[in-house]
Amino acid sequence: GQQLNQSPQSMFIQEGEDVSMNCTSSSIFNTWLWYKQDPGEGPVLLIALYKAGELTSNGRLTAQFGITRKDSFLNISASIPSDVGIYFCAGQRYGGATNKLIFGTGTLLAVQP
Amino acid sequence: DAGVTQSPTHLIKTRGQQVTLRCSPKSGHDTVSWYQQALGQGPQFIFQYYEEEERQRGNFPDRFSGHQFPNYSSELNVNALLLGDSALYLCASSLALAEAYGYTFGSGTRLTVV
Repeated sequence: GQQLNQSPQSMFIQEGEDVSMNCTSSSIFNTWLWYKQDPGEGPVLLIALYKAGELTSNGRLTAQFGITRKDSFLNISASIPSDVGIYFCAGQRYGGATNKLIFGTGTLLAVQP
Repeated sequence: DAGVTQSPTHLIKTRGQQVTLRCSPKSGHDTVSWYQQALGQGPQFIFQYYEEEERQRGNFPDRFSGHQFPNYSSELNVNALLLGDSALYLCASSLALAEAYGYTFGSGTRLTVV
């Protein structure tokens, strides 16, 4: 099945460092979403982006919807141990017959205290 | 306010058997989508139900079928199980009219086929 290209695949950082990850697609989306998934749990929505060029923050998290509508990035500032988990981007096209989410391959984040 | 509830949480089945997974959507939501997440991968869209009908479907064989009930809850059925069907199955609910808003996911059912 289709998956978006997400990088890096994994990151191992020290507490307090900033983190950046991105997601690219060969096709455009109306919406970009960023989720965090903890072991044994479902994805939890972090940030939703609705317009090309939009920059949105949620606490220490900042995400941007790329101008071309084919990419997005997520930054986490001053990482803390509870940031550990797998981060997924997801693109959504809606209107007409479809509004399904297409997920990225995920970025595993490990934070060392 | 309960979120999305899935049952069972874990399940072990033998190849060739059939399985039914259940999902209760978040209160106020009317649309249910199912996703399959293999180990180390992102979730893959299986299908979506709205008004008790399958509205859209991903690239999954007919062995995967579903149902939505009048109370908006849903079932995912998989027939003739294969080893490759082992995965975390996620249910996500949403409002059909709020298509730009992200879904709410349940914690999933971990299916192991042996």
